[in-house]
Amino acid sequence: KNEVEQSPQNLTAQEGEFITINCSYSVGISALHWLQQHPGGGIVSLFMLSSGKKKHGRLIATINIQEKHSSLHITASHPRDSAVYICAVYGGSQGNLIFGKGTKLSVKP
Amino acid sequence: GAGVSQSPSNKVTEKGKDVELRCDPISGHTALYWYRQSLGQGLEFLIYFQGNSAPDKSGLPSDRFSAERTGGSVSTLTIQRTQQEDSAVYLCASSFIDSLGYTFGSGTRLTVV
Repeated sequence: KNEVEQSPQNLTAQEGEFITINCSYSVGISALHWLQQHPGGGIVSLFMLSSGKKKHGRLIATINIQEKHSSLHITASHPRDSAVYICAVYGGSQGNLIFGKGTKLSVKP
Repeated sequence: GAGVSQSPSNKVTEKGKDVELRCDPISGHTALYWYRQSLGQGLEFLIYFQGNSAPDKSGLPSDRFSAERTGGSVSTLTIQRTQQEDSAVYLCASSFIDSLGYTFGSGTRLTVV
């Protein structure tokens, strides 16, 4: 079993739809990251969370430490949101991230 | 610099040749990480530097892979006797040592033919 599980693996949405991507993890963590990777592009860090909720524009990230679960929401989705969204947890002692396999989002106009 | 800089952005090499990938982290970032993303695969941790020392090399896939960091700044990842399975995008990230916020470089796409 992977230490970081994301769902769904693939997601197709119509422009304007509300989108939710889920991340569950099995290890103790200090922080969780949501990353965005555009096709052929680099990786952008969207959020780093250790508790509660963060909002940036149309993006909202929440985390429930007790349930070991985080969600990334996109409101009023747009085709430019099409990308792979990756959940990564910071396990602590050695400084490296443990990555989920990513959710490929495609938003159709 | 303003961000994490990696070079080259693309590298095509013949099987058996050695390659050197470079990462120039954000000035002042003491922690530096190398990751690899193979085609269709998730991200894979390779090695982590704290200053010039590497407390965690557990992710290096074989002894053909090595990395160093000098002056607490630039890092090089060297792959000797490249194999086709080494083809991947190699990503570097850096952060302050007491911060969990990472900044990623745009990666080096390595193709071994």
